[in-house]
Amino acid sequence: AQSVTQPDIHITVSEGASLELRCNYSYGATPYLFWYVQSPGQGLQLLLKYFSGDTLVQGIKGFEAEFKRSQSSFNLRKPSVHWSDAAEYFCAVGSNSGYALNFGKGTSLLVTP
Amino acid sequence: NAGVTQTPKFQVLKTGQSMTLQCAQDMNHEYMSWYRQDPGMGLRLIHYSVGAGITDQGEVPNGYNVSRSTTEDFPLRLLSAAPSQTSVYFCASSGVNTEAFFGQGTRLTVV
Repeated sequence: AQSVTQPDIHITVSEGASLELRCNYSYGATPYLFWYVQSPGQGLQLLLKYFSGDTLVQGIKGFEAEFKRSQSSFNLRKPSVHWSDAAEYFCAVGSNSGYALNFGKGTSLLVTP
Repeated sequence: NAGVTQTPKFQVLKTGQSMTLQCAQDMNHEYMSWYRQDPGMGLRLIHYSVGAGITDQGEVPNGYNVSRSTTEDFPLRLLSAAPSQTSVYFCASSGVNTEAFFGQGTRLTVV
């Protein structure tokens, strides 16, 4: 069965510090992986996606993620966090057509001055 | 470019009432999905559709019905609302080799 695990429910970082959000997945076929961000009261915005090819994926807002098949991981990184990055982050796995996604439970990011 | 439009944005229902959450997309996407979001649970798939006339159940389908008569619309029906269906509902659409595009959500409270 498909599953996605985000081990960290909450993360607090200082503005300007680096960030890594963890995501582990279990998926029987070739995984198609996504990171979404959600600000309070808003919908979900795609940060980046991995379908195939280069395992280091660049996204919007300075985020990147690395697909590691041997570790079943797709961790999200940002070298320097801004206060506006405070939000909920969701990792998801599914088909290359983006439907019937399986989401992790999310990581809430707090950014301190 | 409207993308995915959900209506209403907010709704309060009494237990046992029925209602339909509307979802429309203008991107000519084949695939559409409904999710519910509860605190600490992430998003869970309710139903999805891979084309007009074709629907299938997701992880939490009980208490919900869907149909897909057109490419653009994918309504979610609650036949007899229960307090356990209090949640935020998201509709999403996607095409071949695209990510899912989400609506702004419907916040439903069942009292």
